[in-house]
Amino acid sequence: AQKVTQAQTEISVVEKEDVTLDCVYETRDTTYYLFWYKQPPSGELVFLIRRNSFDEQNEISGRYSWNFQKSTSSFNFTITASQVVDSAVYFCALSDYYNNNDMRFGAGTRLTVKP
Amino acid sequence: ETGVTQTPRHLVMGMTNKKSLKCEQHLGHNAMYWYKQSAKKPLELMFVYSLEERVENNSVPSRFSPECPNSSHLFLHLHTLQPEDSALYLCASSQGQGLAGGPEPEQYFGPGTRLTVT
Repeated sequence: AQKVTQAQTEISVVEKEDVTLDCVYETRDTTYYLFWYKQPPSGELVFLIRRNSFDEQNEISGRYSWNFQKSTSSFNFTITASQVVDSAVYFCALSDYYNNNDMRFGAGTRLTVKP
Repeated sequence: ETGVTQTPRHLVMGMTNKKSLKCEQHLGHNAMYWYKQSAKKPLELMFVYSLEERVENNSVPSRFSPECPNSSHLFLHLHTLQPEDSALYLCASSQGQGLAGGPEPEQYFGPGTRLTVT
């Protein structure tokens, strides 16, 4: 069975602080995809990044970075120098590599960045 | 229009009403999805259509009825809903559905329809 756990329900930081959102997953598949999505107050889930299980390289995109570690089944997301516009709910998700019909989402982490 | 659009954005309906939610994707994708997002609960996958055929129906009550007339359009027909059906209904689409290592397995979401059942 596939499962995604985002243990942090809510996080509040002050602008310019760094913040890490944790994601731990469970799967019996040897090949799979991991994703992060952002859901701002408007409601639409915005795709941020996809990693496949073959590639454990960390990735950086501007103020965003992702740390994928198969050994600990984690795919953590760090925002550097947070901004008020980063306030949103962030979802981690997992799908099978060969059949991505069923994308399993974590419960989400609500990030509030205060000015 | 770009991406995935959904109409209406907000809907209030009584328990005896019949209404439909509409989703349209402008991305050339071949799979479409309906999700339900309730407060304090994870996203629930309701239905999946791949190449216009339903491939997933996750024990959704029959008062929800999907329709996919073509690869760009997806509907969710609603009838005799219950107050607990009040939620944000999200539509999504993706490419390379079911294909190993398809080019874009990620799903792209619409803005959702906020449904309130009174």
